[in-house]
Parts: sequence; C-alpha cells; structure tokens
Amino acid sequence: DIQMTQSPSSVSAVVGDRVTITCRASQDISTWLAWYQQKPGKAPNLLIYAASTLQRGVPSRFSGSGSGTDFTLTINSLQPEDFATYYCQQAQSFPYTFGQGTKLEI
Amino acid sequence: VQLEESGGGLVKPGGSLRLSCAASGFTFSDHYMNWIRQAPGKGLEWLSYISPSGSHRKYADSVKGRFTMSRDNAKNSLYLEMSSLRAEDTAVYYCARAGEMLGAINYNWFDPWGQGTLVTVSS
Repeated sequence: DIQMTQSPSSVSAVVGDRVTITCRASQDISTWLAWYQQKPGKAPNLLIYAASTLQRGVPSRFSGSGSGTDFTLTINSLQPEDFATYYCQQAQSFPYTFGQGTKLEI
Repeated sequence: VQLEESGGGLVKPGGSLRLSCAASGFTFSDHYMNWIRQAPGKGLEWLSYISPSGSHRKYADSVKGRFTMSRDNAKNSLYLEMSSLRAEDTAVYYCARAGEMLGAINYNWFDPWGQGTLVTVSS
C-alpha cells in the first residue's frame, strides 16, 4: 500500500496568513493526488484534484502543487472559515489511502 | 448532486448491519461509487468501490470477507452489508462518488460525499 504522510499534524495561524501543508507519498504517484477539507461534524469536501486543479466553487486562495512523491497545499490570505482539518489522498492505485490529516487552527 | 446515507446504529460485536446510500441529481448508473469511513477522532479510511454495473468490486484488507458492497441502479441506491462486526469498525461511514476531471468521470478521488451515518459496535 502507498503510505501518505502529512506535515505538520497541526498548525496555528491568524487571519491573513499564508499556510502551507505538505504531503509525501511512499512511492511515485505522478500527479494522482487530491486534497480535502473537513470541518467538525461534516463530511470531507474536495478542494483540489490531480495535484493542482481547483475543484469548482473552491476559492482561488487555495492552490496545490507537486508531483512524484512531494506535494503541497497552500492557502493564501487565510479566512476564518478555513479553520478545518485537511487531508491528502493518493489516487494512483488501490487501496486509495489518505494522509493522517493536518488540523489548521486559526 | 446529493448522497444520503442511512442504516447506522448500535450493534453488538459479531453482529451485522446494512447501510444504504440514496443518490440523486446525477446519472447514478454511470458512476463508480465508494464507501469510506472515519473512526471517532481519527482519519479517513477508504473501504471499497463498485463499478457502474456492479460487476467489479474492490475492498480494503481490513473489511475483505466481512463487508459486501452492492448497488441497485433502478433505485439509485448503494449498499454496504457488514457482518462479523468488531469494535474497531465503529466509525462514521460515508458514501462518495468517484470524481471527475475535464468532463470525464470515474477518477479515483471522491466528490461528493454523503453526510455520513454512525455505526457503533459495542456490547
């Protein structure tokens, strides 16, 4: 199975900050990576797929980059509603695996 | 586009439960579908997928042989039959549609998700 490792596990920031979350795959997954946002008590919501493509309706302050084994999710100009946990997920091969999550505290 | 799970509840270890997921707002029979779970306070674990026709299914090792995924395209519904349940199966269970890209469907990310249904395995 492909292991996905996110860092940091948690991060504190203030409104207006720029935050970067990293995700590392245990083997080359090309750009088969997705990012999700999950707010407390809610289902995850797809933010980015194919490593860098923004899902429809997601604010442009979110961006993704990377290929191979190293990926980043960047949130520019943090807003209060960005308080959430973020997960990466590899879409390269079965079984599809998630990172352990990064909790963003405002 | 909407997915709505039901059927969760409290079940004893070794027991069985059937989850359902009702789909609406899209052509259900065109899409791969998935089940994903989240134990309390933990991360996400993909469990299984099923092809549009239902002929092809894959399971995570953690549930293989105990869980069976099925679908009824006439009813726009997805199911997860769970048996030999264990305490470690306690989780919120989500159904999720396979993702899209550039107008094509059935990529291996998940969008949208249902709201989830809680399964608690305890004596």
